[in-house]
Amino acid sequence: GESVGLHLPTLSVQEGDNSIINCAYSNSASDYFIWYKQESGKGPQFIIDIRSNMDKRQGQRVTVLLNKTVKHLSLQIAATQPGDSAVYFCAENSGGFKTIFGAGTRLFVKA
Amino acid sequence: NAGVMQNPRHLVRRRGQEARLRCSPMKGHSHVYWYRQLPEEGLKFMVYLQKENIIDESGMPKERFSAEFPKEGPSILRIQQVVRGDSAAYFCASSPPNYNEQFFGPGTRLTVL
Repeated sequence: GESVGLHLPTLSVQEGDNSIINCAYSNSASDYFIWYKQESGKGPQFIIDIRSNMDKRQGQRVTVLLNKTVKHLSLQIAATQPGDSAVYFCAENSGGFKTIFGAGTRLFVKA
Repeated sequence: NAGVMQNPRHLVRRRGQEARLRCSPMKGHSHVYWYRQLPEEGLKFMVYLQKENIIDESGMPKERFSAEFPKEGPSILRIQQVVRGDSAAYFCASSPPNYNEQFFGPGTRLTVL
């Protein structure tokens, strides 16, 4: 069946370093992927998305990379800040509306 | 433009009672989605609604759970005869038509005693 999963459940980085959060998906027909950030007690917040016809997309301090060959997605955060501490979810949007979430990676930023 | 609103933010019910969770989508959004999140887990899709229509309820338990999105007013997720296993955070998201990105509300945390 469809599944979206993450390699690392927790990630601890030093403030100012770059962070890389990885995600694997199994549905080769997926064509839209999203990264969400969820802070404690809040709903998921959209960070960046990418369609399957692209392999890289950049935002402000964030970059998403998509490798369709190995069905792998990653989120890179440049110059990580304490405010980046949160749980990060990759998600696959299948059929145009149903979003399938991975289990999440908790990012700790050490000052 | 206010974001997605959910209320109550916290809800405590005893086993066997009913829980009603409300979601007001963003202005102009006619699509509503409900998700459930257990502690330390990702969000699980439950149901997708448009005004007065359930489009996909494949993630909704067959019994005790129902959802509606009336022509006027908020979307309602209703859980009858709650059990302890229903304790979770329930998130609502909305989107405009033909738009993939979903905007999430702050969630309702349901605790069943």
